Amino acid sequence: AQRVTQPEKLLSVFKGAPVELKCNYSYSGSPELFWYVQYSRQRLQLLLRHISRESIKGFTADLNKGETSFHLKKPFAQEEDSAMYYCALRNTGGFKTIFGAGTRLFVKA
Amino acid sequence: NAGVTQTPKFRILKIGQSMTLQCTQDMNHNYMYWYRQDPGMGLKLIYYSVGAGITDKGEVPNGYNVSRSTTEDFPLRLELAAPSQTSVYFCASRTDLSNQPQHFGDGTRLSIL
Repeated sequence: AQRVTQPEKLLSVFKGAPVELKCNYSYSGSPELFWYVQYSRQRLQLLLRHISRESIKGFTADLNKGETSFHLKKPFAQEEDSAMYYCALRNTGGFKTIFGAGTRLFVKA
Repeated sequence: NAGVTQTPKFRILKIGQSMTLQCTQDMNHNYMYWYRQDPGMGLKLIYYSVGAGITDKGEVPNGYNVSRSTTEDFPLRLELAAPSQTSVYFCASRTDLSNQPQHFGDGTRLSIL
């Protein structure tokens, strides 16, 4: 069965420190993977996709098929990065997207 | 460009009442979804639709119904509200191309007392 696991419910770091939000998935095929973010009082929105291999707001995520992980990283956290982050998986060409439980990132001044 | 619009934003219901959560999108997306989000949990898929006239159950469909008479609208109906349906409900839509993200509404916070 498809599953997305985000082991940390809350992650607290100081401004300027590196941050890594973990995401592990279980899926036997070729997945489409996404990171979504929800800032305070805003709607859930796409942060980045594995297919794009781009950096958005300083965040990157690498798909590791061997470890079935898609961790989100940023070398220097900023206070405005404080938000709820969700990892999501969809089978290629599929209809349904499976979401992890989310990790709340709190960046302290 | 409004994207995905959900109404109402908040609602309190009594046990046994019924209501419809409205969702409309102006992006001409074929795929639409309803999720619920309980505290500390991820988004659980209730129902989804791949086009007008076509709907299917997600992970947690019991107690809900949907319809899709137009591409734009995808209402979610609760027939007999129960306390277990207290949650935040999100509607989303996306194009049917691969690797495209979902676009979400602001959510509806529903409390059933």
